[in-house]
Amino acid sequence: DQQVKQNSPSLSVQEGRISILNCDYTNSMFDYFLWYKKYPAEGPTFLISISSIKDKNEDGRFTVFLNKSAKHLSLHIVPSQPGDSAVYFCAASVKGNTPLVFGKGTRLSVIA
Amino acid sequence: GAGVSQSPSNKVTEKGKDVELRCDPISGHTALYWYRQRLGQGLEFLIYFQGNSAPDKSGLPSDRFSAERTGESVSTLTIQRTQQEDSAVYLCASSARLAPKAGELFFGEGSRLTVL
Repeated sequence: DQQVKQNSPSLSVQEGRISILNCDYTNSMFDYFLWYKKYPAEGPTFLISISSIKDKNEDGRFTVFLNKSAKHLSLHIVPSQPGDSAVYFCAASVKGNTPLVFGKGTRLSVIA
Repeated sequence: GAGVSQSPSNKVTEKGKDVELRCDPISGHTALYWYRQRLGQGLEFLIYFQGNSAPDKSGLPSDRFSAERTGESVSTLTIQRTQQEDSAVYLCASSARLAPKAGELFFGEGSRLTVL
């Protein structure tokens, strides 16, 4: 029973365009959401987070949107750069202090 | 070093053997987590240590899996009588207990286990 779902295993985007990575969750108790980025042979690194009291959080080229009623969040990267090519994991927790539940990841390829 | 350190980085073992994987968390981080990522899958939570509290073992897939942590430092994940389905990258992460964003984990590079 997957509580955090990333239904697109891969995404290709041209350099300079917007990348949109999607994530759905089923557990209505989740109230803290994070995105992690993973390069090959490295551990995941924290990218951006959002609390359920907000519907948007922005950090430079990265923006996360949360739609609680739809139990959906998305990560927007604009403009996309070749160095953004990586696997992106969506994660969620309850009250921000329970073990994170991760999705399967989406592999983003940014083509120059 | 400043980050989470894991060893070995790669381990190949025969089915039925026991393996130990080690994790050195970031100094001062009181929370330590083990996850694994099997091929084509997401990160699967295994076990969580928080200070002196009893560990949360709810993610361990079977009684062949166990983990220990010495105080607020090194942790060892042990897999007994390994099976081929145990093949995965085992990731350790740590976080500061009182971090305002307590969900932010800092991951090591992982230990890739291959069971033949």
